[in-house]
Amino acid sequence: GESVGLHLPTLSVQEGDNSIINCAYSNSASDYFIWYKQESGKGPQFIIDIRSNMDKRQGQRVTVLLNKTVKHLSLQIAATQPGDSAVYFCAEPKGGSGNTPLVFGKGTRLSVIA
Amino acid sequence: DTGVSQDPRHKITKRGQNVTFRCDPISEHNRLYWYRQTLGQGPEFLTYFQNEAQLEKSRLLSDRFSAERPKGSFSTLEIQRTEQGDSAMYLCASSLAVLKLLNTGELFFGEGSRLTVL
Repeated sequence: GESVGLHLPTLSVQEGDNSIINCAYSNSASDYFIWYKQESGKGPQFIIDIRSNMDKRQGQRVTVLLNKTVKHLSLQIAATQPGDSAVYFCAEPKGGSGNTPLVFGKGTRLSVIA
Repeated sequence: DTGVSQDPRHKITKRGQNVTFRCDPISEHNRLYWYRQTLGQGPEFLTYFQNEAQLEKSRLLSDRFSAERPKGSFSTLEIQRTEQGDSAMYLCASSLAVLKLLNTGELFFGEGSRLTVL
């Protein structure tokens, strides 16, 4: 989602539930996408990536889905834990390919309710 | 700790002063990036180096900003004549770009240097 100023999109989930964080991208030529997690006061941390020749990629408790038709990316977190509380960013290469600097979206804040 | 380190972590300065941030990347990484992040926003690309060569500078990088990576290892980002609008978190990241192979594109970020201009 998009945000204005200080108002990040926020997702609140109950501990143990699944979380789905969405991202829309604009460059149909982008061939690579990454999700980052940023905890308060820290730098972004890599979670998972996906190339455009894939629709789905799974990691540990996380799954990324790519829908190229509507230029949409989602991050699913299974069995959400309090430690998952953070801001999540999707990113794509500035030039569309995987060997150029990343451009970040504005992020979604995930709050986990214990 | 073999991650990306940044110094100082926090800097408070008065408008008009110069500030310099230092970044030490992961030792075997040949690419180094500077990003700026303001509250509620994602990181914005400023510039990046491959070894000592500065490959690209964003339009966000005004002429008051200069970045160097003289020996292809650590990098400095200097802001001259700081303005209140420069207040932000300055993030450094590094990666390993391997010619002829697809790299993952994963950037390893430091904890950032937070600048407050009064």
